[in-house]
Amino acid sequence: NAGVTQTPKFQVLKTGQSMTLQCAQDMNHEYMSWYRQDPGMGLRLIHYSVGAGITDQGEVPNGYNVSRSTTEDFPLRLLSAAPSQTSVYFCASSYSGPSGVDTQYFGPGTRLTVL
Amino acid sequence: GENVEQHPSTLSVQEGDSAVIKCTYSDSASNYFPWYKQELGKRPQLIIDIRSNVGEKKDQRIAVTLNKTAKHFSLHITETQPEDSAVYFCAASIEGPGGGYQKVTFGIGTKLQVIP
Repeated sequence: NAGVTQTPKFQVLKTGQSMTLQCAQDMNHEYMSWYRQDPGMGLRLIHYSVGAGITDQGEVPNGYNVSRSTTEDFPLRLLSAAPSQTSVYFCASSYSGPSGVDTQYFGPGTRLTVL
Repeated sequence: GENVEQHPSTLSVQEGDSAVIKCTYSDSASNYFPWYKQELGKRPQLIIDIRSNVGEKKDQRIAVTLNKTAKHFSLHITETQPEDSAVYFCAASIEGPGGGYQKVTFGIGTKLQVIP
């Protein structure tokens, strides 16, 4: 299994440009999430999905859109990039086992710089 | 929503000494508490977790304790080694209705440096 994969690894955008960060998992996990990581602020939840066709907002959703058309894929779209969106983005997936939701598996991250 | 506070933000210990990182949470409904280790430039990886029906859990040199009454939990690393140097994150999550998705709230992280 490849686990959780993310593309691209690095990206530089100009203010106002749009782009999509890709995330895929091959573990048949129900739950997928997007986080951003900024120095001194830990990981903050942007959006999450509990299954194909179902998404919801996290702590910091403004400026981002998501969709989940398949179990495997959960892309994150930046509609009009702003310098405040410069960050490292992590995608994660997890599933619900007998004891409750199990651990999250993180992708390798995408380092985004908005000029 | 849930709020997780983590202390200290940086921690330096001599090789072989113990390291303790503490976290508090605000929502008494939180029932799952994972700890992640993140090496420089890498993804967070789970090192240990504890559920609210357990007070302590050990895995070799690492252990986690949970005090539900006080709403705090701690990570203990014994006999530290240079390869333990990393950023450690605590987290708390609340199981959704019917046992579904848990929205995970992370602490800000602790940068641990183990000095040889």
